Amino acid sequence: DIQMTQSPSSLSASVGDRVTITCRASQSISSYLNWYQQKPGKAPKFLIYAASSLQSGVPSRFSGSGSGTDFTLTISSLQPEDFATYYCQQSYNTPLTFGPGTKVDIK
Amino acid sequence: QVQVVESGGGVVQPGRSLRLSCAASGLTFSNYAMHWVRQAPGKGLEWVAVIWYDGSSKYYADSVKGRFTISRDNSKNTLYVQMNSLRAEDTAVYYCARDSQEMSTTYAFDIWGQGTMVTVSS
Repeated sequence: DIQMTQSPSSLSASVGDRVTITCRASQSISSYLNWYQQKPGKAPKFLIYAASSLQSGVPSRFSGSGSGTDFTLTISSLQPEDFATYYCQQSYNTPLTFGPGTKVDIK
Repeated sequence: QVQVVESGGGVVQPGRSLRLSCAASGLTFSNYAMHWVRQAPGKGLEWVAVIWYDGSSKYYADSVKGRFTISRDNSKNTLYVQMNSLRAEDTAVYYCARDSQEMSTTYAFDIWGQGTMVTVSS
């Protein structure tokens, strides 16, 4: 199985900050990497697919990059509605696996 | 609008069974692979199973293989998961999620339901 790790596990940031979250796969997954945002008590929301493609309707302040084993999610200017937990997920093969999540909260 | 709505959760004793349903609307259900994803209280996301748009292929997480069965009825726009031999560690919110590409599988989840809670406890 492909193991996914994320760093940091949590971070505190202010509105307007640039935030970067890292995701690493235990083996090469090419660009088969997706990102989700989850707020407390809500279902996850699909943000980015294929490592760097923005899902329709997602603000352009979100971006993704990387390939192989190392990936990043960047929020260029953090907004109040962006405080949430972010998960990466590999779609290279089954069993599909998620990273443990990165919680972004208010400094 | 496109939505999927889960139902069937509840409290069940260890070793018993439960069937969850997911009703889809606003989409051509029969054109999409569908997934179950779960989240234990306070924990991260765990993929459970996928079924191809036509039901021809199914894959499971090791943690549920042999105990859970995913199925679909395209005439009713409904996805199911039959959960047998339930364990305490199956306690979670269960989400139904649509695969993001029609007539194929990307293994990415673009539409999620609100989830249904399953509690396995004596």
